[in-house]
Amino acid sequence: DAGVIQSPRHEVTEMGQEVTLRCKPISGHDYLFWYRQTMMRGLELLIYFNNNVPIDDSGMPEDRFSAKMPNASFSTLKIQPSEPRDSAVYFCASSPDRGVGQPQHFGDGTRLSIL
Amino acid sequence: AQSVTQPDIHITVSEGASLELRCNYSYGATPYLFWYVQSPGQGLQLLLKYFSGDTLVQGIKGFEAEFKRSQSSFNLRKPSVHWSDAAEYFCAVGPPGGYQKVTFGTGTKLQVIP
Repeated sequence: DAGVIQSPRHEVTEMGQEVTLRCKPISGHDYLFWYRQTMMRGLELLIYFNNNVPIDDSGMPEDRFSAKMPNASFSTLKIQPSEPRDSAVYFCASSPDRGVGQPQHFGDGTRLSIL
Repeated sequence: AQSVTQPDIHITVSEGASLELRCNYSYGATPYLFWYVQSPGQGLQLLLKYFSGDTLVQGIKGFEAEFKRSQSSFNLRKPSVHWSDAAEYFCAVGPPGGYQKVTFGTGTKLQVIP
């Protein structure tokens, strides 16, 4: 079975540019999560969706960040305009809705560098 | 609010030695508990999970963890470490009741020396 697929794997861009990160969850999974990982702050949950609907976006750092899930097989995380402090590894994860406490399945991440 | 603490940032062990990584959680009821492993350049992979029942949980790659309610702990153990176990390990806690939001600890980076 294909796992969670993220693209691109690496992104280097200049500050002020728009950045779009993409995620394809595991087929049949109803939950999708976006995380950010940095040395200073560890793994932070940014937002998560259930059945394509955003449930909790309290972790989104500011209005420059937005996330969408137009259908069950695709989600984007957008940063506009990007800043150097946004440099981090961004992970997407998905999990099924088959009762409580289902583990999350992670993609390999997008390493983002804002110059 | 739920929280999880991993007091050790780095741990170094010799190959073949035993390993214990500490995890303490804070929650009013018994939460769901997870251990994940992250190899360099990769996402997190589930090692094991605890919901209820037997407090000693077996996972993949020879790992086990023991839930101790009295100590609010869920420590990860392995009797004999292999060089391939070098990675970062994350403890995570999720509340009971079907709510999917999970809180991750800050991670423990394991170095294995020959």
